[in-house]
Amino acid sequence: GEDVEQSLFLSVREGDSSVINCTYTDSSSTYLYWYKQEPGAGLQLLTYIFSNMDMKQDQRLTVLLNKKDKHLSLRIADTQTGDSAIYFCAEMERGYQKVTFGIGTKLQVIP
Amino acid sequence: GAVVSQHPSWVICKSGTSVKIECRSLDFQATTMFWYRQFPKQSLMLMATSNEGSKATYEQGVEKDKFLINHASLTLSTLTVTSAHPEDSSFYICSAGGTGEAFFGQGTRLTVV
Repeated sequence: GEDVEQSLFLSVREGDSSVINCTYTDSSSTYLYWYKQEPGAGLQLLTYIFSNMDMKQDQRLTVLLNKKDKHLSLRIADTQTGDSAIYFCAEMERGYQKVTFGIGTKLQVIP
Repeated sequence: GAVVSQHPSWVICKSGTSVKIECRSLDFQATTMFWYRQFPKQSLMLMATSNEGSKATYEQGVEKDKFLINHASLTLSTLTVTSAHPEDSSFYICSAGGTGEAFFGQGTRLTVV
């Protein structure tokens, strides 16, 4: 079955860049997502990338996709304290809307 | 983007009672909706796929008699936790898909006391 893995925790200083990494196993993934979850809140879609793309940039967010290695990363430039949250990597398999999530990376931003 | 509304946001119920959670797609029709559950400090796990007009498809290990899903219209799916127990306390989230995207509700935090 599909599997998505990511590290549990990342700590950065305010103003630095954060890079959250994720690996997945399903080679038929069509969309790969980054969701943000703040404490007690639902999921917020941050950005997504089609599987035929290598990179997508959206303001402070940069997503890099290495299909060969099945590796996805999210870079947050100029990280702010408001970026502190849990970030979920997720993939959607081809032809189906089911989403498989990673365990989530808790980002802690130190002022 | 599309909006998925989930209600209630939080609920506290007594052990043995049933709780219904609603998931609505507000500006699009969803023939398929998904229900996820998130245990503390764990990822979201798919519980079941809700299909409009037919029976839901449950993931392995999910009790279909305990977690009743009804998808009676193209904009509404409900999840009913029957005879709730404290171990059912969790964060439940629904999603509905547009073309290539999955939109999530706000989630429901269920606490069974």
